Formats: sequence, structure tokens, C-alpha cells
Amino acid sequence: AQSVTQLDSQVPVFEEAPVELRCNYSSSVSVYLFWYVQYPNQGLQLLLKYLSGSTLVKGINGFEAEFNKSQTSFHLRKPSVHISDTAEYFCAVIEKTSYDKVIFGPGTSLSVIP
Amino acid sequence: DTGVSQDPRHKITKRGQNVTFRCDPISEHNRLYWYRQTLGQGPEFLTYFQNEAQLEKSRLLSDRFSAERPKGSFSTLEIQRTEQGDSAMYLCASRPWDFPLYNEQFFGPGTRLTVL
Repeated sequence: AQSVTQLDSQVPVFEEAPVELRCNYSSSVSVYLFWYVQYPNQGLQLLLKYLSGSTLVKGINGFEAEFNKSQTSFHLRKPSVHISDTAEYFCAVIEKTSYDKVIFGPGTSLSVIP
Repeated sequence: DTGVSQDPRHKITKRGQNVTFRCDPISEHNRLYWYRQTLGQGPEFLTYFQNEAQLEKSRLLSDRFSAERPKGSFSTLEIQRTEQGDSAMYLCASRPWDFPLYNEQFFGPGTRLTVL
């Protein structure tokens, strides 16, 4: 069965420092990959997605992620974080056979320290 | 605003009561989804609709849960005889279905349910 692992439940980082949030997945079929951000008491907002093509994808708010098929990873990076990036980040996959059931990881809480 | 809307945003109820939540998807999005998110976890899929047809239900959706989308537009999620374990954020999402193209799901702000 497909699953998503986010090994870091909490990541504190100083403002203007770089950050990487890790995501690994398992699936027996090809998948699409996503990163969502959730601000307190709000719904999920799509940061970026990998459907096909270049393995390096750029998203909103200066975030980018790289798909590594051999390592089944999709790590999220930002070269310089801001206070406003403090939020919960979810990695998610969807199997190309279904297109409907999004499987989310448990989330990583990013705290940006001034 | 033409995003996904959910009502109410917060609901506090006593154990054993019935509750109903509403989701209004983005106009012309024919697929609609419900997810449940408990504290400290990612959302979990519950069910989804293609227009008014309910196509799949998760095993998480016990007999006390029922979802409808009667006219293929808005949807309701009802929980009967609520239990404290039902306390969670209930998220709704929608997307246009345009096979074989893939379009991502757009999420609403959620309804936070607290069962006392």
C-alpha cells in the first residue's frame, strides 16, 4: 500500500537560514507528488507539484522540491526562510491509477525563529 | 471569492448528538472530496463524488457517517450519534475531472468539530 513518511515532525530554523523538509514515499505504481502548506486554522494550500518532466519543480513563496525516483524522495527546500513561512507542511502522493485518493504524510511543523 | 467554502467553520456538540456539515465546491468542479484531519496528523481520505454519484468510501467512514451530493453541486457530511473520537477537522476539496489530464484538488478551510 502507498504511504508517505515525513521523518521530521518539527523543524526549527532561524530567519533567513535555508531549510529542507524531507519526504519519502512508497508505492507499487507511478505517482504524482505534492507539497501542501497549512497555516493555523486554515485549509491546505498547494505549494508545488510534480507530475512529469524536470525533476526539480518550483512553487510559490520561493519553495522548490526535487523528485528522486531511485530514492523515492521528494524533499522540499527554501534557501532563505521568513517568519511568515511558519506553518505545517504536508507531503502527499496520488497514484496515477486512481487520481483521486490523496495520501498525506503526517506533516512537518516549521517554526521560523526571529 | 470563488474558492471552496465550508460551513460552519467550527462546531461544538455533545456526545450522542447529530451534526451536519456543508461544502460548496468551486463552480463547475464535478469531483468533490471529504477528508478528516486529527490533531497532529495529515488529512485522511473519507469519500468522494463525481457529480451526484458517490464513487468511493473509505473504511474510516463508519455507518454513523453519511455524505450526499444531491444535485451535483454542494455536499453535506452528517455524523450521527457523535463520539469524542469524531473530534477533528473535516476538509472538503474539489477539482475538475478532465481525463486524461490531471488537475489537483483545491481545499476548503475546513470545519473543526469538537465533541464534548
